[in-house]
Amino acid sequence: DAKTTQPNSMESNEEEPVHLPCNHSTISGTDYIHWYRQLPSQGPEYVIHGLTSNVNNRMASLAIAEDRKSSTLILHRATLRDAAVYYCILTGFGDMRFGAGTRLTVKP
Amino acid sequence: EPEVTQTPSHQVTQMGQEVILRCVPISNHLYFYWYRQILGQKVEFLVSFYNNEISEKSEIFDDQFSVERPDGSNFTLKIRSTKLEDSAMYFCASREGGGSGANVLTFGAGSRLTVL
Repeated sequence: DAKTTQPNSMESNEEEPVHLPCNHSTISGTDYIHWYRQLPSQGPEYVIHGLTSNVNNRMASLAIAEDRKSSTLILHRATLRDAAVYYCILTGFGDMRFGAGTRLTVKP
Repeated sequence: EPEVTQTPSHQVTQMGQEVILRCVPISNHLYFYWYRQILGQKVEFLVSFYNNEISEKSEIFDDQFSVERPDGSNFTLKIRSTKLEDSAMYFCASREGGGSGANVLTFGAGSRLTVL
């Protein structure tokens, strides 16, 4: 899997939007951009994924740069429950490998 | 919502003992995975399994590890002779299709292994 670069940590205030960046300059044409998160003491859970176009679901939005070399996960209104480690992963025909992710802290 | 089920949730074992961790993937999924996470560290890929054989494995997955799908529902990870450094949370995951990156992984809650 191609590598991604994420900030180690970010902070947000409750009920404010959060933009989590991910750089993936070596992305290939067949790589999908996936985001997972891991809440404390739980297994990773799927958040959102996309290929070229921006995506929205009930949990978040994914904004993908036109050249696909970066993407941003957007949580529209952070809650305390969104405090987690967020992983940006590229996956094509191989298996998913996690990086260190971004630890999001949400302050009340 | 369909889920991946793992048992046991926590197992304590003595060094050198064999351990089997069990997983029941989502029923229509075809690709199965094991990951591990040592306390405070990142999630590490161990192995992927499709059509009753290993499709990919990491450098961590050495000869002391094996996987099996003994029946139509279970997917197991066996550690033959546990070491202290095998203490970790082990996550099973499954995926409907694996032919492209479009398919997402669903993870279980994990099995915590403590080796004494």
